[in-house]
Amino acid sequence: AQSVSQHNHHVILSEAASLELGCNYSYGGTVNLFWYVQYPGQHLQLLLKYFSGDPLVKGIKGFEAEFIKSKFSFNLRKPSVQWSDTAEYFCASLYSGAGSYQLTFGKGTKLSVIP
Amino acid sequence: EAGVAQSPRYKIIEKRQSVAFWCNPISGHATLYWYQQILGQGPKLLIQFQNNGVVDDSQLPKDRFSAERLKGVDSTLKIQPAKLEDSAVYLCASSLTLLNLMLANNEQFFGPGTRLTVL
Repeated sequence: AQSVSQHNHHVILSEAASLELGCNYSYGGTVNLFWYVQYPGQHLQLLLKYFSGDPLVKGIKGFEAEFIKSKFSFNLRKPSVQWSDTAEYFCASLYSGAGSYQLTFGKGTKLSVIP
Repeated sequence: EAGVAQSPRYKIIEKRQSVAFWCNPISGHATLYWYQQILGQGPKLLIQFQNNGVVDDSQLPKDRFSAERLKGVDSTLKIQPAKLEDSAVYLCASSLTLLNLMLANNEQFFGPGTRLTVL
């Protein structure tokens, strides 16, 4: 079974600071990776996903993530955060087996952006 | 487009009681998922349906949890009897198909969740 590790439990940044959230996955064949975000009081929603091709993936709201196969990493980045980026961020990997596809999530990183 | 609907949003029960959660997926979505999210952790898949059939329930504690999707649309998740460790947010999600989630437009959409507190 796959596992996903997120290094930081809680990150606090000032507005305009750069963001990088770490994510490592366990190797399990074909790699399909996701970042989800949950804003306060809202549903989980997809930020971006990687399945092949360019290892630098661009998502919504100025977020991007880089897949580095040699490091089993898929870190999320944003050059300049805003107060509205305050949320919890989850990294996930897709596991396929027994005729189904399952998302395995990390524990999440809470981001607090101070105005 | 309406999103995934869940009810109730909050539920408080005592241990050994029973509880049921309801989910209505996005119209036309064949695949439905139930997740458990314990405080401080990411969502963990409990069960997934394709139409009205169970595809994977390997992580569902079947001695106390059950789920059904009789007509291939709405679904209910039941816990009987509840334990303290069942306190969590129960998330429902749906996607167009069970096929690879990397396919275009086959994103998994999540509902708002039901927060269960077992006392």
